[in-house]
This record gives sequence, structure tokens and C-alpha cells, in this order.
Amino acid sequence: GAGVSQSPSNKVTEKGKDVELRCDPISGHTALYWYRQSLGQGLEFLIYFQGNSAPDKSGLPSDRFSAERTGGSVSTLTIQRTQQEDSAVYLCASSLAGPPGYGYTFGSGTRLTVV
Amino acid sequence: EDQVTQSPEALRLQEGESSSLNCSYTVSGLRGLFWYRQDPGKGPEFLFTLYSAGEEKEKERLKATLTKKESFLHITAPKPEDSATYLCAVGYYGYGQNFVFGPGTRLSVLP
Repeated sequence: GAGVSQSPSNKVTEKGKDVELRCDPISGHTALYWYRQSLGQGLEFLIYFQGNSAPDKSGLPSDRFSAERTGGSVSTLTIQRTQQEDSAVYLCASSLAGPPGYGYTFGSGTRLTVV
Repeated sequence: EDQVTQSPEALRLQEGESSSLNCSYTVSGLRGLFWYRQDPGKGPEFLFTLYSAGEEKEKERLKATLTKKESFLHITAPKPEDSATYLCAVGYYGYGQNFVFGPGTRLSVLP
């Protein structure tokens, strides 16, 4: 497609359940980023994929968070045993290869609410 | 330690009332300063990148300027459709994910 697609757009889950968030980047974009945006906070980096290289997981807040990228395209962010503090908007961005921040196109995000 | 701060947190303007938003940063080795616009329920949309002190860029009613410690986003004669959250982000030289977003300024332009 023409843009970055994220699904679902909204997700309400019960505390303790696992959730999967999906990101479909722009075709040809080798770099893919996941960010988390909480109310009143800046975007918080979570994880970065570049081509076939090992992902940079340095931003994942706990081992309940994991992500994978299949075939260099679609990515899934998984949160296990969700907690209320995980409630936020999860944003995905893709770009052509380059330093972080360059040529980002963001998706519209998934709003996660843990009740 | 805050690396990127933005002020004010929120700003209400009347249509046509010009103003400026501030982004201050404390990182050393600036690689680029980025401005984004974010509408409710959407992801951030890229506006500008500034690379060195003294640089200016313009787009319609927006002009971004950069000094060694801060950037300003000037909005001239704003219209209601300029209402959005404006985010700045800083890329800096170093290891790892050396790209940090500020918390944003929420702008409302009233007709």
C-alpha cells in the first residue's frame, strides 16, 4: 500500500492477557521502528529492525515485550501478560535505510487499553 | 535527564494570531532537529529537518529556525486547520538509537 498500515486501530484487553499488534510497512522500506506514545509523553523507542540484521531491542521495557519481522516486511509486536501501565498508543514507522529519524513514515497507531 | 523539552505544553490562538513554539535540547553532537505534526488518531507527519544553527525552513504558514540550544516553530496568521500537536525530535551522534522525541505542544486555533 501507499502508507504504513497498523492493525488493530484500537484494542481493549484484560489485564494479564497477551496481545499482538501488527505493522505493515511501505513496500521497499528496509527499516522498521516501533514506538510507544503515552499521554503527555514523547514517543518512546521500543525496537528497530533493519533488513536482515539482528534487531535493536534496547528500548523494550521488559521481557514481556517482544517483536518479530517476517520476510523483511510485516512486523508483529507482542505484549505478554499485559499490565495497566502498558496502556498507550503503539506507533510503527518505516523508512529506507539511514540514521534513525530520517525519512520516517508513521502509521496511525494502535491504541491499547488494558482494563 | 530530559534531552528534549517543548514549551508551552498547550497553546490556544485566535485565527490570525501569530505565535511561536519552542523546542530546547541538551544533546551534544546534533545530527538533525526534526519537526512533526500529529493530528488526533494519526501518526506524526514530517514537516522539517534542520541541521545547523542559523538554518531556517518554511512551509506555508510555518517557519522553523535553529540555534545551538533550541528551535522555534513560528506560525504566522494561523488557521483552524493548523490545530494539531507539534512534536520536535533530535538526532545526535553516538551509539544506538540516538533519536529522541520531545513531549509535544498541543496547538488549538480558534475561528
